[in-house]
Amino acid sequence: SQQGEEDPQALSIQEGENATMNCSYKTSINNLQWYRQNSGRGLVHLILIRSNEREKHSGRLRVTLDTSKKSSSLLITASRAADTASYFCATNSGYALNFGKGTSLLVTP
Amino acid sequence: GAGVSQSPSNKVTEKGKDVELRCDPISGHTALYWYRQSLGQGLEFLIYFQGNSAPDKSGLPSDRFSAERTGGSVSTLTIQRTQQEDSAVYLCASSLLGGNYNSPLHFGNGTRLTVT
Repeated sequence: SQQGEEDPQALSIQEGENATMNCSYKTSINNLQWYRQNSGRGLVHLILIRSNEREKHSGRLRVTLDTSKKSSSLLITASRAADTASYFCATNSGYALNFGKGTSLLVTP
Repeated sequence: GAGVSQSPSNKVTEKGKDVELRCDPISGHTALYWYRQSLGQGLEFLIYFQGNSAPDKSGLPSDRFSAERTGGSVSTLTIQRTQQEDSAVYLCASSLLGGNYNSPLHFGNGTRLTVT
C-alpha cells in the first residue's frame, strides 16, 4: 500500500530558486526517508529522519518532520538544473518501505 | 564498491510466457526488496527478504509471482504466464539491515518488462 503521499505532483522552478515538496502519511513511523529518481534509473537515498527528530540538514537539503501532523517536507535550496528528477518520500510499515507517487521537479536554467 | 545489479535491463516477452528477473544485492546486505513501478506511478512493494527469515510476500499481486533468495545473496523474481498488465519496471533494493532499523535502501536500475 502507498502510505506516503507527496504534494505537489509536479513542480517547475528556475535555477537558483528554492523547491519545497511535502509528504503526508497515515500511520506511526520509525523513520521517514526521501529518495530521488532520475529518469530511467533506480532511486537514490537522500536523507533519513527519525521519528524523534524534527529537522535535518544535508548540503542543500533540509527535511522537517511533524509527527503530530503526520507530515514531512523536503526543501532544496538554490536549485540547479541537475536537481531535475522525481522525489519520493518513504515510510516504514512493518519491514517494507512504502513509497508515494512522488513529486516531479523541473528546474529550468 | 559495486552497487545493486539487476539483469536484464530490458525484457520484452510475449503474453503467456514466463520470465525471470535477477538481482545481485550489495555484498553483506541482509535485507532485499522487490518493488514494481508502473509508468508515472510510485513504487509498489512486492516482497521482502531478511536474512534467513521467511520472506514477507504480502505485496505479491497474484500467485503467478514468486521470488527466491539463494544463500542470502542473489534473488530471482519469477513471473509465470505473463499478462500485459505485468508491464512495468521491476526494481530491486538491498539494505544493510531491515526496514525497522533506520537503514536506507540501495536500488538497482531496474528491469523494464514489456509484455506484448
